[in-house]
Amino acid sequence: SQQGEEDPQALSIQEGENATMNCSYKTSINNLQWYRQNSGRGLVHLILIRSNEREKHSGRLRVTLDTSKKSSSLLITASRAADTASYFCAAPPSSGGSNYKLTFGKGTLLTVNP
Amino acid sequence: DTGVSQDPRHKITKRGQNVTFRCDPISEHNRLYWYRQTLGQGPEFLTYFQNEAQLEKSRLLSDRFSAERPKGSFSTLEIQRTEQGDSAMYLCASSAPSGSLSYNEQFFGPGTRLTVL
Repeated sequence: SQQGEEDPQALSIQEGENATMNCSYKTSINNLQWYRQNSGRGLVHLILIRSNEREKHSGRLRVTLDTSKKSSSLLITASRAADTASYFCAAPPSSGGSNYKLTFGKGTLLTVNP
Repeated sequence: DTGVSQDPRHKITKRGQNVTFRCDPISEHNRLYWYRQTLGQGPEFLTYFQNEAQLEKSRLLSDRFSAERPKGSFSTLEIQRTEQGDSAMYLCASSAPSGSLSYNEQFFGPGTRLTVL
């Protein structure tokens, strides 16, 4: 079973607009992470939010976490064409001894049009 | 460049051939992971090393797949008797030792794209 499911699957916006994508997960977690992947390339770690945090900022990124709903959101403000990429969340389970194992969904494909 | 490196970046092979990929993690990282990613999907976990010990293998890792990390530094992933279904991007990642400030973060390499004809 996947421990990170992103929504929507695809999002197209104009440069300068904000982009919001969501993530749902199934089990208890210690942290939730967001990654970005440009076309055909490896993943880049964007931000990590711990289970005892509700909101975190990094530059133009804002992440929220609602552990009661088992969901997270990633907001990218003032988007740029260079933000065009697939965005994945991963939430390693806090129990079961595999808290290092990242499980990804299919991602949200964000297209920022110039 | 002190990031994770992978070699080769691309590999085209014929069905039935063996292939081997190499991953060099960030030097101070003792934990290393292999993932596989097919088109339109997120990466899927394959295996995990802590130092030279392989601590977990996914059931996705059939008997034709073997991974090693002999000295706790670089790692190799070998696929024997390749099949067309093995065509994918193979990603390697590494992370810092437990207790480090960023030990939860995995740093990914650029991947090796395998095409089996």
